[in-house]
Amino acid sequence: EPEVTQTPSHQVTQMGQEVILRCVPISNHLYFYWYRQILGQKVEFLVSFYNNEISEKSEIFDDQFSVERPDGSNFTLKIRSTKLEDSAMYFCASSRGSADTQYFGPGTRLTVL
Amino acid sequence: AQSVTQLGSHVSVSEGALVLLRCNYSSSVPPYLFWYVQYPNQGLQLLLKYTTGATLVKGINGFEAEFKKSETSFHLTKPSAHMSDAAEYFCAVSDIQAGNNRKLIWGLGTSLAVNP
Repeated sequence: EPEVTQTPSHQVTQMGQEVILRCVPISNHLYFYWYRQILGQKVEFLVSFYNNEISEKSEIFDDQFSVERPDGSNFTLKIRSTKLEDSAMYFCASSRGSADTQYFGPGTRLTVL
Repeated sequence: AQSVTQLGSHVSVSEGALVLLRCNYSSSVPPYLFWYVQYPNQGLQLLLKYTTGATLVKGINGFEAEFKKSETSFHLTKPSAHMSDAAEYFCAVSDIQAGNNRKLIWGLGTSLAVNP
């Protein structure tokens, strides 16, 4: 069964460093999402991506964040200069259509020291 | 704005007992509603969803949920708990006002423990 994959599973970085979180969505899906979950808090929407552009982003998704689909298979989330408060589990999701079920990857746990 | 409230951050049941996980939502328009499960060290897996039609929705692993518009609820149930049901359960609502995409708005999650 096709699944969404994410790498790395755990990333530790120093404050101010850039990180790139990688996701491989399900191959015939057209809509891509990033969510995050800070420990003890709700899962929060970050950004959605369709047709090679951002379709919606949350207030969290400021200029420090960017997304890219560089090669037609990967979907990446870049945090330009990490802050302590960026420490969270980051989930990638994809769906075939806008109203279809979103399938999630296993997440990347980002720890900013 | 839409929101989701899950009553009870931790629920503990005995094996074989009824599982009831509560979810209430607020939405100004008919919502799409979801339950996801997260097993330890794994991703979020869809258990079931309600979009339109029959209000009682059956999902995987014997779970079901009923959409009750009058109560703005979408509680998750399973008649008989199994040890393998121990996991974190998340209720979510889809924002259908967003046009071409449907971000999910999540509850805080309920951790289900199943005791032998």
